[in-house]
Amino acid sequence: TQLLEQSPQFLSIQEGENLTVYCNSSSVFSSLQWYRQEPGEGPVLLVTVVTGGEVKKLKRLTFQFGDARKDSSLHITAAQPGDTGLYLCAGANGGYSTLTFGKGTMLLVSP
Amino acid sequence: SAVISQKPSRDICQRGTSLTIQCQVDSQVTMMFWYRQQPGQSLTLIATANQGSEATYESGFVIDKFPISRPNLTFSTLTVSNMSPEDSSIYLCSVLNSYEQYFGPGTRLTVT
Repeated sequence: TQLLEQSPQFLSIQEGENLTVYCNSSSVFSSLQWYRQEPGEGPVLLVTVVTGGEVKKLKRLTFQFGDARKDSSLHITAAQPGDTGLYLCAGANGGYSTLTFGKGTMLLVSP
Repeated sequence: SAVISQKPSRDICQRGTSLTIQCQVDSQVTMMFWYRQQPGQSLTLIATANQGSEATYESGFVIDKFPISRPNLTFSTLTVSNMSPEDSSIYLCSVLNSYEQYFGPGTRLTVT
């Protein structure tokens, strides 16, 4: 069974601070996806990383896929209250396989 | 991407009854999934629903409790049968499109 461990489980910060969320596994994944879920909504896909060592930027969010494709990180610069939500990483093996989800990191950004 | 809608968005049901959740997608997709998300938790896959074949259930989930229909490439239903308070959860429909997975807004179910 492939497992994805996310850390921290909960993060409470002030607006303007930087933060990093980690997603680690002992297994190799062909791709990894990051989602953000706001209360009362379904998860929204933020990014997919597929190449070991890949770095993708989405405005203030930077995503990195580890060289060995076993881990990933999400860095947010100058966090804003609108970044508040549950951040989920999910790994896939093959284009049509089901996803393995981590337990999520709950981020709270206070004004 | 894909735009997914679910009905109902929320419901409060009595123990022992059944609820059918509908999922509609704005484009044809081969693979659809149903997930459960209990309060404060991550997502647990219930089953994969492909058009033209029986749904494939994950360990711990059975067809009698969670029957699924997939009549065409844009629609699916999940029924939660003989409900108990332990079934209180958010139920999410998801589709695979171009190797990426997209989610509906979820159905928040409370069983009393």
